[in-house]
Amino acid sequence: SYVLTQPPAVSVAPGQTARITCGGNNIGSKSVHWYQQKPGQAPVLVVYDDSDRPSGIPERFSGSNSGNTATLTISRVEAGDEADYYCQVWDSSSDHRVFGTGTKVTVL
Amino acid sequence: QVQLVQSGAEVKKPGASVKVSCKASGYTFTNYNISWVRQAPGQGLEWMGWISAYNGSTNYAQNLQGRVTMTTDTSTSTAYMELRSLRSDDTAVYYCGRDKFGGYDEFIDYWGQGTLVTVSS
Repeated sequence: SYVLTQPPAVSVAPGQTARITCGGNNIGSKSVHWYQQKPGQAPVLVVYDDSDRPSGIPERFSGSNSGNTATLTISRVEAGDEADYYCQVWDSSSDHRVFGTGTKVTVL
Repeated sequence: QVQLVQSGAEVKKPGASVKVSCKASGYTFTNYNISWVRQAPGQGLEWMGWISAYNGSTNYAQNLQGRVTMTTDTSTSTAYMELRSLRSDDTAVYYCGRDKFGGYDEFIDYWGQGTLVTVSS
């Protein structure tokens, strides 16, 4: 089955840039979606189709995808961005969706 | 506004079954699939499967085949997820979500609030 690997944790100072990677075999050929989950809350979609943002999501959230790595970038990080982030793709070979292992973003 | 409201927390014994509901509002129910995702305590998200609210077709995760059944009631715009032969490792928060088709595949654009299912003897 298709595996998506994320770093367990990323730490960033307020105002700086956080980059969260999502590694998978030839992930650049797939469409990647990203979710933010704060403690005790349901996930929220922050980026879809590699780099599109749903309405209401700040422009500080952006995405890219190429080769074997997709990246979620959070610019000008704020305390409110502290959360777990998950990438997700559709695995066409199994017709199943797959979530990444998740990354905890800590704002120092 | 789109809302997905799930049923309340459940406590079940090993071997029992649980049925979680997800009532949709604010959109045409039959125009979208509903996905189910679960999250064990302190763990990541696990995709369980989806159901078409249009025709009832389903796609279940391989590890849940034979134990899970997803259904819908279009008259009440409600989706259901039933999990049978519960084990302790089925203890998790169960989420429903509305699927939206992007340019290539589907993603969840709205989520329910989650339902905690605890399996304990």
